Amino acid sequence: EVQLAESGGGLVQPGGSLRLSCVGSGFVFSSYSMMWVRQAPGKGLEWISYLSSSMSYISYADSVKGRFTISRDNAKNSLYLQMSSLRAEDTAVYYCAREGFYSALDSWGQGTLVTVSS
Amino acid sequence: QSALTQPPSASGSPGQSVAISCTGTSSDVGSYNYVSWYQQQHPGKAPKLIIYEVTKRPSGVPDRFSGSKSGNTASLTVSGLQAEDEGDYYCSSRAVGYTWVFGGGTRLTVL
Repeated sequence: EVQLAESGGGLVQPGGSLRLSCVGSGFVFSSYSMMWVRQAPGKGLEWISYLSSSMSYISYADSVKGRFTISRDNAKNSLYLQMSSLRAEDTAVYYCAREGFYSALDSWGQGTLVTVSS
Repeated sequence: QSALTQPPSASGSPGQSVAISCTGTSSDVGSYNYVSWYQQQHPGKAPKLIIYEVTKRPSGVPDRFSGSKSGNTASLTVSGLQAEDEGDYYCSSRAVGYTWVFGGGTRLTVL
C-alpha cells in the first residue's frame, strides 16, 4: 500500500524557518516525481512546489518562490520542504503528494499543520 | 498562476446528476489533457483522486463519476448522487513549466 507521511509542522513566528519532511513507503520512491500542496484554514488547495524523480526539474508557485526550497533524498525515501521568511499567510496544512499518470496527484499524505503567528 | 474557476457550491437530490465546471485558460486546461479531479470529504482530510487525464477513473472509483473537457473548460459529472458524495471537489491542471494549478473548490451538497 502506498503511504506518505508528513512531519515537521508546528508553530513558528513570522520571519522564522521550518523544515517539513515526507516519507514514502509501499512504492519505489526514487521513480516518482513529488510535490507539495497546501491548504490554508477554510480555503482551497494550492500547489506550491514540484521536484522530478531525477531531480532535474524543480518548480515553485510564485507565492513561495525565493523563500521555500524543495529537495529529496531517495536513499531515505524522503521529500523535504525548507521554508524560510515565513508569513502569516503561509499558515496551512501542508500535504506531500505523488505525481502519477498524466500529472495527476495519485497519493497524498495526511498533512502537517504549519501555523505562523507571534 | 491564477487559480482555475469553479462554482463555490453545487447540489442535487439523491439519484440526480450534478455537473461541476472548471474554467482555466489556454495556458493550462486548454493546452493539456492533464486535468484531474479530487474529492475531499472532510476539511483537513487528504484529497482523493477521482478523475485523471480528463476522463479516466482510478481503480475503485465508481463509474458514477465522469469527466470531460471542451476548450478551456473541464467538467466533472456525478450521476446517481449518493449521500456519501457530499464534500469538496477540486479540479487541477498541469500548466506551463512543470507547474500545476487548482480550482478554488466546489462544495457539493446532497439534499
